Amino acid sequence: EPEVTQTPSHQVTQMGQEVILRCVPISNHLYFYWYRQILGQKVEFLVSFYNNEISEKSEIFDDQFSVERPDGSNFTLKIRSTKLEDSAMYFCASRGVRYPDTQYFGPGTRLTVL
Amino acid sequence: EDQVTQSPEALRLQEGESSSLNCSYTVSGLRGLFWYRQDPGKGPEFLFTLYSAGEEKEKERLKATLTKKESFLHITAPKPEDSATYLCAVRGPGTSGTYKYIFGTGTRLKVLA
Repeated sequence: EPEVTQTPSHQVTQMGQEVILRCVPISNHLYFYWYRQILGQKVEFLVSFYNNEISEKSEIFDDQFSVERPDGSNFTLKIRSTKLEDSAMYFCASRGVRYPDTQYFGPGTRLTVL
Repeated sequence: EDQVTQSPEALRLQEGESSSLNCSYTVSGLRGLFWYRQDPGKGPEFLFTLYSAGEEKEKERLKATLTKKESFLHITAPKPEDSATYLCAVRGPGTSGTYKYIFGTGTRLKVLA
């Protein structure tokens, strides 16, 4: 069964450093999402992406964040200058056209900012 | 303000003991209510989408229902493998014809053998 994959599974970085989190969505999916979940807190929507542009973004998704689909398979989230409060689990999700309400989530990348 | 509230925060059931989880929501212009299951250290797993009051969906031991203010996830004769956190989320209108997603904090379900 196809699945969303994310790398790395755990990323440790120093405050102020740039990080890139990578996702490989399910191959025929066209809609992509990033969410985050701070430990012990609720899942928060960050951004949705379709047709090479951002469809919607939340208040969390400020100028420090950016997303890109650099090739036909990868979908990335970049944080330019990490802060301590960016420490969280980051989930990528994708969905297709046939079942538009079914988002498939990846296993997540745990980001730890020191 | 759009929000989603889930109750209870945690629930312990004996195997076979049926119960319901609640998701109360406030959103201007609901465009779907979603239920997910999340196991520790993993991403959410999609269960159901409901769109309009009165709608019901079933999958194995789970049944989701929707009213204009809340949704219930009914678990019939649960098994230990149903132990997980169950998340509710709503989709509402964003800006310029887009959507936003608002999650609740989840209900941690533990089913004892």
